Amino acid sequence: KAGVTQTPRYLIKTRGQQVTLSCSPISGHRSVSWYQQTPGQGLQFLFEYFSETQRNKGNFPGRFSGRQFSNSRSEMNVSTLELGDSALYLCASSAAGGGSKNIQYFGAGTRLSVL
Amino acid sequence: TQLLEQSPQFLSIQEGENLTVYCNSSSVFSSLQWYRQEPGEGPVLLVTVVTGGEVKKLKRLTFQFGDARKDSSLHITAAQPGDTGLYLCAGVKAAGNKLTFGGGTRVLVKP
Repeated sequence: KAGVTQTPRYLIKTRGQQVTLSCSPISGHRSVSWYQQTPGQGLQFLFEYFSETQRNKGNFPGRFSGRQFSNSRSEMNVSTLELGDSALYLCASSAAGGGSKNIQYFGAGTRLSVL
Repeated sequence: TQLLEQSPQFLSIQEGENLTVYCNSSSVFSSLQWYRQEPGEGPVLLVTVVTGGEVKKLKRLTFQFGDARKDSSLHITAAQPGDTGLYLCAGVKAAGNKLTFGGGTRVLVKP
């Protein structure tokens, strides 16, 4: 079974631009979560999609948005990029609805650099 | 402000030594998970602890969940260079898949 695939792996953008990142979950998984990882703030939850609906949202500005397609693939979009958006963006997929015993599998991430 | 505080932030030890990483919170979580992340990769789940007071062993790694389900520890016995990496604890609330991560502990095991 293929793991979680994130594309692209690396991205360089300039301030003010927008960017779209893609995540293909493990086959059969219906939940996709997105996280931002920076040296200063660590790993922070952005949002979760389950069956094409946003189920949970973290404390990020509205410039960060996402969506999930009927095949469970997910995209996240960041508009009007700021220097502080430079980070590793991680996607995680899981099979079930959530809770203590649910296992999430992470992709290798997309490293975004904003110049 | 991190809901989950990990300590220490960095550990450098010699091969064969023992180490302990702590994860503390003022909140109660339904479970705590420990991950290891290596450069260029996403975090990989090591263990999930659910019951207060629970102890789980994974070869040379021992994980403990506090009685009040607010804190956890990871102990590595006779560390090896292959144990080098970023260790992350993450709390899970009852519903959904949202993980609240600690700041991480970077472990370096020198041969």
